[in-house]
Amino acid sequence: EVQLLESGGGLKQPGGSLRLSCAASGFTFSTYAMTWVRQAPGKGLEWVSSISVSGGSTYYADSVKGRFTISRDNSKNTLYLQMNSLRAEDTAVYYCAKDRITTGGTDMDVWGKGTTVTVSS
Amino acid sequence: EIVMTQSPATLSVSPGERATLSCRASQSVRSNLAWYQQKPGQAPRLLMYGASTRATDIPARFSGSGSGTEYNLTISSLQSEDFAIYYCQHYSNWPLTFGGGTKVEIK
Repeated sequence: EVQLLESGGGLKQPGGSLRLSCAASGFTFSTYAMTWVRQAPGKGLEWVSSISVSGGSTYYADSVKGRFTISRDNSKNTLYLQMNSLRAEDTAVYYCAKDRITTGGTDMDVWGKGTTVTVSS
Repeated sequence: EIVMTQSPATLSVSPGERATLSCRASQSVRSNLAWYQQKPGQAPRLLMYGASTRATDIPARFSGSGSGTEYNLTISSLQSEDFAIYYCQHYSNWPLTFGGGTKVEIK
């Protein structure tokens, strides 16, 4: 079964840091681009960041550029999101998602259940 | 950045009726358009990609159409499990963006 399992969410103070992880199973992780999408409480979906198969190409929403870093470890089938300089507006459920095709920059056909990040003092 | 606008925000439909949801892009996305369904407390589920291709295991009552800047998702006969929020997303270029969503509720 194709599965994505996020972890690492929690409560952080503004200015703090957090690293999210996403463990992939049931598919060849190293051959698909991957994406993080977030959803603030009661709001819609917001694309956050994507990464290519090799990790050599990364893309970010303007709202997180310079503060968040996406990375992957293909030997561990794991996707990461390092979140620094956290703000209250980063409060959201963060979903890890698999791009439908290997080249990425497309739709996402497999989603994790999400991990909740709360930024508050 | 391409802005995706969905309408209506809420659609009240009776079970068995047809529902048509709209998504407009601020510039052409050349059919690089996906639709997702999200139920409360759940992750989104991919319904449609390439504007009109159903994703794996999506029932035939879901269909997508459109081109350029205007796209529709049609549910031919609403079932109880179809009441949810639907989002469109373009993948024409970076950044990827989602529409604000259409909530399909029971009339």
